[in-house]
Amino acid sequence: EVVLTQSPGTLSLSPGERATLSCRASQSVAKNYLAWFQQKPGQAPRLLISGASSRATDIPDRFSGGGSGTDFTLSISRLEPEDFAVYYCQQYATSPLTFGGGTKVEI
Amino acid sequence: QVQLQESGPALVKPSETLSLTCTVSGGSMTNAYLGWFRQPPGKGLEWIGYFEKSGTAIYNPSLKNRAIISPDTSKSHFSLKMSSVTAADTAVYYCTGGWGWLVDYWGQGTLVTVSS
Repeated sequence: EVVLTQSPGTLSLSPGERATLSCRASQSVAKNYLAWFQQKPGQAPRLLISGASSRATDIPDRFSGGGSGTDFTLSISRLEPEDFAVYYCQQYATSPLTFGGGTKVEI
Repeated sequence: QVQLQESGPALVKPSETLSLTCTVSGGSMTNAYLGWFRQPPGKGLEWIGYFEKSGTAIYNPSLKNRAIISPDTSKSHFSLKMSSVTAADTAVYYCTGGWGWLVDYWGQGTLVTVSS
């Protein structure tokens, strides 16, 4: 099983600041099949990034993904009020599919 | 635009079988991967399993063979059955659809509580 470790657990920032979230895998993620999701309270996860760096449809360009192998990052260039949420990474290359524990981005 | 909606009992007794149905609307999921995920209150996301377009199903081994995902013939509905539930199975359950292992569509989720 691929274990994903996200850091930090909580990120306290202000609107307009840059956020950098990390996701480290216990083994290389094949084909860089690594996705990032945003989740707000009471809502289903929303896909932001797939394939480590490809933005999903209608996702603003302030969101960007990078990395390969075992180390991945999600960056939000300038935080908007609606970006304060929990972010999860997920690998979808190997069964069982697994998620990181999440990073909460708070004001 | 494909939409998914979960339905089923909100309360299940310990040791009984949890049964949920996902209704697909707004498009065909005939050749899609149909799946279920869950999220215990205040915790992270967990993959339960997929029914693949090949007609086979794969499951998370952590569930110890308690889960079964099955679609109807038209794939306009598909179900999740999970046997021998305990309080640890209390969670929001999401049904999903996609064209590969990456989820393209999520249901809104339904909370299932396991309690006597």
